[in-house]
Amino acid sequence: AQRVTQPEKLLSVFKGAPVELKCNYSYSGSPELFWYVQYSRQRLQLLLRHISRESIKGFTADLNKGETSFHLKKPFAQEEDSAMYYCALSGLASGTYKYIFGTGTRLKVLA
Amino acid sequence: EPEVTQTPSHQVTQMGQEVILRCVPISNHLYFYWYRQILGQKVEFLVSFYNNEISEKSEIFDDQFSVERPDGSNFTLKIRSTKLEDSAMYFCASSEAEGGTEAFFGQGTRLTVV
Repeated sequence: AQRVTQPEKLLSVFKGAPVELKCNYSYSGSPELFWYVQYSRQRLQLLLRHISRESIKGFTADLNKGETSFHLKKPFAQEEDSAMYYCALSGLASGTYKYIFGTGTRLKVLA
Repeated sequence: EPEVTQTPSHQVTQMGQEVILRCVPISNHLYFYWYRQILGQKVEFLVSFYNNEISEKSEIFDDQFSVERPDGSNFTLKIRSTKLEDSAMYFCASSEAEGGTEAFFGQGTRLTVV
């Protein structure tokens, strides 16, 4: 079964502290993994994807196929990072691609 | 930067009524999606659409739902006879190609069924 699991509904950290948002996935095959972010009252927008291996707004995520994880990390959290973060995978299923989302983690960065 | 736009931003309807949610995907995109998010729950896949037909649909996408691309630019989701449990945020998305590429999302339509 294809599934994305984000175990934390809410993560609160102080400004300047490191952040790790966990994401595990279940998929038979080679999915593409993404992190989407949703700031208050705004649309879902792509934060980063594993194939590009880039750092956006100081965030990085490494795909660990052995642990089937794609955790999102940032060494020093900023208040403007407060948002909902969704891990998603895209893979070929039933002959078509679709994006499957986790339940999301709300990150609160405290001053 | 091109955006996916959705109208209306908020729709209130009576149970049993039909609603049409509208989306204008990014113009050179070929793959279109509808997702929904019930308050406090995850973003759920409803349907994908390519080449003027449904590519895949989820269990949620039953006979009361339909999608159309009536004029080559709009992409609509119709809910024929709304139920209370259809109340949710509905997101349209489009992508240039299949999988591995970014899906661009609209700002969503909040549907409230009373």
